[in-house]
Amino acid sequence: DAGVTQSPTHLIKTRGQQVTLRCSPKSGHDTVSWYQQALGQGPQFIFQYYEEEERQRGNFPDRFSGHQFPNYSSELNVNALLLGDSALYLCASRTTGERETQYFGPGTRLLVL
Amino acid sequence: AQSVSQHNHHVILSEAASLELGCNYSYGGTVNLFWYVQYPGQHLQLLLKYFSGDPLVKGIKGFEAEFIKSKFSFNLRKPSVQWSDTAEYFCAVRDNAGNMLTFGGGTRLMVKP
Repeated sequence: DAGVTQSPTHLIKTRGQQVTLRCSPKSGHDTVSWYQQALGQGPQFIFQYYEEEERQRGNFPDRFSGHQFPNYSSELNVNALLLGDSALYLCASRTTGERETQYFGPGTRLLVL
Repeated sequence: AQSVSQHNHHVILSEAASLELGCNYSYGGTVNLFWYVQYPGQHLQLLLKYFSGDPLVKGIKGFEAEFIKSKFSFNLRKPSVQWSDTAEYFCAVRDNAGNMLTFGGGTRLMVKP
């Protein structure tokens, strides 16, 4: 049973560019969340997708957008990249339900030069 | 808004020493509480969780945590650490709606052999 998978593992972009990160949830999971983990900090919630809609959003600008597909996989898009967007981007998935635990993927490390 | 504080940023212990990592949260309602661990080069893994019931919860690898509601605390403990426990530990809280995890800043633990 594959866990949460993310691609690519590493990415280097320059300021002003756009990036798309991808996530496949754990089998049986229908809810996907994205987190940003800056160096030396804890993960910060970006947004969550369920039934192909954004269900909740953290304190991130509109440059951060996402999408969920019918197979529950998800994309995170970041436009007009800034140096401060350099971070590890984590995807987490779970099934719907109050007591369900989120499982995290290995992350995509983004470096913006 | 929820917030989580982990007061120890770096902890260095010798093998067989006892461990206690502090976690305090700020939230007025019912919460779910988690400890995650991130071993070097690996993804976030769940150590243990508390939803309700017995406030002393046991997790994997000999870890346990105690929820003290009056102190808004959920401290992580292990009686005897091993070199393989070297990792970064994150406390997290989730409100009852279950949509987002709020993480603390993490505690980096180094266990000397």
